[in-house]
Amino acid sequence: DVKVTQSSRYLVKRTGEKVFLECVQDMDHENMFWYRQDPGLGLRLIYFSYDVKMKEKGDIPEGYSVSREKKERFSLILESASTNQTSMYLCASSPGSGAGEQYFGPGTRLTVT
Amino acid sequence: AQSVTQLGSHVSVSEGALVLLRCNYSSSVPPYLFWYVQYPNQGLQLLLKYTSAATLVKGINGFEAEFKKSETSFHLTKPSAHMSDAAEYFCAVTKTSYDKVIFGPGTSLSVIP
Repeated sequence: DVKVTQSSRYLVKRTGEKVFLECVQDMDHENMFWYRQDPGLGLRLIYFSYDVKMKEKGDIPEGYSVSREKKERFSLILESASTNQTSMYLCASSPGSGAGEQYFGPGTRLTVT
Repeated sequence: AQSVTQLGSHVSVSEGALVLLRCNYSSSVPPYLFWYVQYPNQGLQLLLKYTSAATLVKGINGFEAEFKKSETSFHLTKPSAHMSDAAEYFCAVTKTSYDKVIFGPGTSLSVIP
């Protein structure tokens, strides 16, 4: 089974802190994604990566950056956390040769106070 | 641009009754289509996918979906609802594995005992 793990299930940070969310997949997938999920807004794509050291902006990249130094790991960075970044963050991966089906981690519920 | 609509943000069914969750898509080319399920405080789990093979696709947990090109629909069904089916369900579409996956807004399924 594909396994996508995220470093924390729940995280509480203060406004202005730098926040790192880590995601690791164990199926050698080429593609990795970060989404945020908010009530009434569905899933919104923040950043994605099709290869190591490659990154592409999604629909809402402002206030975020990413890093992919190894194929299996994709990190989301909140440079200076703000209260409007309180959300559920979901990481996903997909094989490059597939149909686009994505495999999701359990999510990190981030609260910024 | 591709889009996905899910009719009904909330659906309630009695235990043992038919489950029908509606999904319509817009796409200029034959798409890949997916259904995902999300249980509370968890990530999304792939239920099934359509990749231009059989139009009736069987997934996990007794769910299936039928691709109808003429209606641009991909509705999800299950003959008999179980309490454990209560969750959020997302329909999604993409053109290729290198295109963005577009998620619908989700339908929350409640199962009444």
